[in-house]
Parts: sequence; structure tokens; C-alpha cells
Amino acid sequence: NAGVTQTPKFRILKIGQSMTLQCTQDMNHNYMYWYRQDPGMGLKLIYYSVGAGITDKGEVPNGYNVSRSTTEDFPLRLELAAPSQTSVYFCASSRISEDQPQHFGDGTRLSIL
Amino acid sequence: GQQLNQSPQSMFIQEGEDVSMNCTSSSIFNTWLWYKQDPGEGPVLLIALYKAGELTSNGRLTAQFGITRKDSFLNISASIPSDVGIYFCAGPGNSGGSNYKLTFGKGTLLTVNP
Repeated sequence: NAGVTQTPKFRILKIGQSMTLQCTQDMNHNYMYWYRQDPGMGLKLIYYSVGAGITDKGEVPNGYNVSRSTTEDFPLRLELAAPSQTSVYFCASSRISEDQPQHFGDGTRLSIL
Repeated sequence: GQQLNQSPQSMFIQEGEDVSMNCTSSSIFNTWLWYKQDPGEGPVLLIALYKAGELTSNGRLTAQFGITRKDSFLNISASIPSDVGIYFCAGPGNSGGSNYKLTFGKGTLLTVNP
């Protein structure tokens, strides 16, 4: 079972470059999420989606964009990379019910230099 | 917004010891979740709690949903080296009916000395 798959696993960007972090899930989950994890700070929600074509901002959306054209895929876009975006990014998904736990990918480690 | 206070921030224990960590919220939660994150991986769900007072076990792990609905604890008995990792509590936010957005504690880093 693949679950939630994130690519790439590691990436180094220069300031001002752009990139897309890919996330796909094969569990037919309606809800998908993007988090960033900084040392000692837990997980902060960047964007989330409750279904194809629907996205909304989380706690820390500035500098990021998302799209949800299919149920399976939820890419995260960085348009102008900044050093403050150096972090570990996690994608997660869950079923449609409110109390269903989220399933996480293994993360993308991103460094902006 | 929601705030979760998780303690302790870190623990250094000897193999075989029991571990206890807890989480408190500034508001009432309807669900408490406990996740573990191994180094270099994403968080994995350990235990989910859905009812105040509920006590649930998963092997050597036991978690309880506090009666006030503002706290939860996780116990690990007879720790082993593979228990090393970061443990997170989490609960759904409650802003405008968006209960599927989780708020996470900052984590408890557990180190187990063989």
C-alpha cells in the first residue's frame, strides 16, 4: 500500500527560484493537507483541500500556492523561494469524516540558500 | 486560535522504564490523536481517542482522553530503543466548523538509552 507519496525527498534551491512539491495519495481520501515542520515547532498547516477544485489557506500560507485538480494529487508551489521557507514539508490526507485521522507522507526536506 | 501545550519537551530514559507525556488545550476537544515521528519519516498515528474519559491501549502504549476534554496523556510502558522519536498530540481545530484541521503540539522528543 503506497498511502501518501511525496516527491522529491530532498531539494536545495537558490533564493528566488521556484519549485513544486508533489503529493499523491491512493486511498481515495477527500481531504488533503500541507504542513511545514520547523525544529521544535511542531507542524504548521499551510494549505488544505476538502475535495477536487477546493482549496483554502491554513495558518501559514504566505509564499505558497496549491491546486487540487484531482482527488489524488495536491501539489504545493513555491514561486519565489526565500530562506525562511527552509523546512521539512509534509503532505497528509484523511477521509471525509471530521474525526478521521490524517495519514502523512515521509516529507520533503527543502533548503533555500 | 487553538493552542496545545505538550510536555515534557524532551525525555532521556533508560530502556525498560515507563514514560508519561501529556497535552493540554486552551479549549475543549472532541478528538485527541497521538502520533509518533521516527527520524526522517512522517508522523504515524498511534492512538485516536473520541470520547471524554476514554482509555485506549495499543500494545505498550496507553492514552486517555481527559474528563474535562481539555487534556490527554500518553503512557509507554517498558520502553525499548525503537521507541525513540518525537511524539505529537493533535486535535481538530474548531474555527467556523472546520473540525478536520488539526492543531499539533510541539512534540516530546524521547531518547531511550539501551
